[in-house]
Amino acid sequence: DGGITQSPKYLFRKEGQNVTLSCEQNLNHDAMYWYRQDPGQGLRLIYYSQIVNDFQKGDIAEGYSVSREKKESFPLTVTSAQKNPTAFYLCASSMQNSYEQYFGPGTRLTVT
Amino acid sequence: AQRVTQPEKLLSVFKGAPVELKCNYSYSGSPELFWYVQYSRQRLQLLLRHISRESIKGFTADLNKGETSFHLKKPFAQEEDSAMYYCALIKGTGNQFYFGTGTSLTVIP
Repeated sequence: DGGITQSPKYLFRKEGQNVTLSCEQNLNHDAMYWYRQDPGQGLRLIYYSQIVNDFQKGDIAEGYSVSREKKESFPLTVTSAQKNPTAFYLCASSMQNSYEQYFGPGTRLTVT
Repeated sequence: AQRVTQPEKLLSVFKGAPVELKCNYSYSGSPELFWYVQYSRQRLQLLLRHISRESIKGFTADLNKGETSFHLKKPFAQEEDSAMYYCALIKGTGNQFYFGTGTSLTVIP
């Protein structure tokens, strides 16, 4: 079954703990993205990566970190420095020079 | 700076009526604009992009540079069109997308 997967679907953490969200794709896409979705704010780009071992900050990268050691994987770590981590997180991928992004099902993170 | 604006959070129309979802953008270069859609319990997916000038599921969108708009239109709404619609703009060569806040469309039977 090809596509882009995110796990887990729901994640709960205590304040002050780092947490890593998984994003995997088997579409052989070069580019991968992380978005945060909050009510009334649409999707906001956190980080994106166009190639392995390279990534760029989006508009709201503070308090987040990523790695891109493999083409298929682009994990996002929400650190304790992120002031409002509770949100819905979407991962996406696309072919290089393609404008169509394929989205994962999302992970809802709740930090208390 | 808000690059993509969707002024309507919610929009309801009757089946068979025309529908228009508004999108305005601010960008100094030549924009690439898109509409993405999320149906209930499905993933966000591309609906159409201005560069292809295509009609998908009866929807069309014309880029109006003078009004900086990219409104999505359909002459006769169907119940299956009920979904969340996002307008998006791509900036530069980095494939960095900017999404609007979305419009939830409900088509009333």
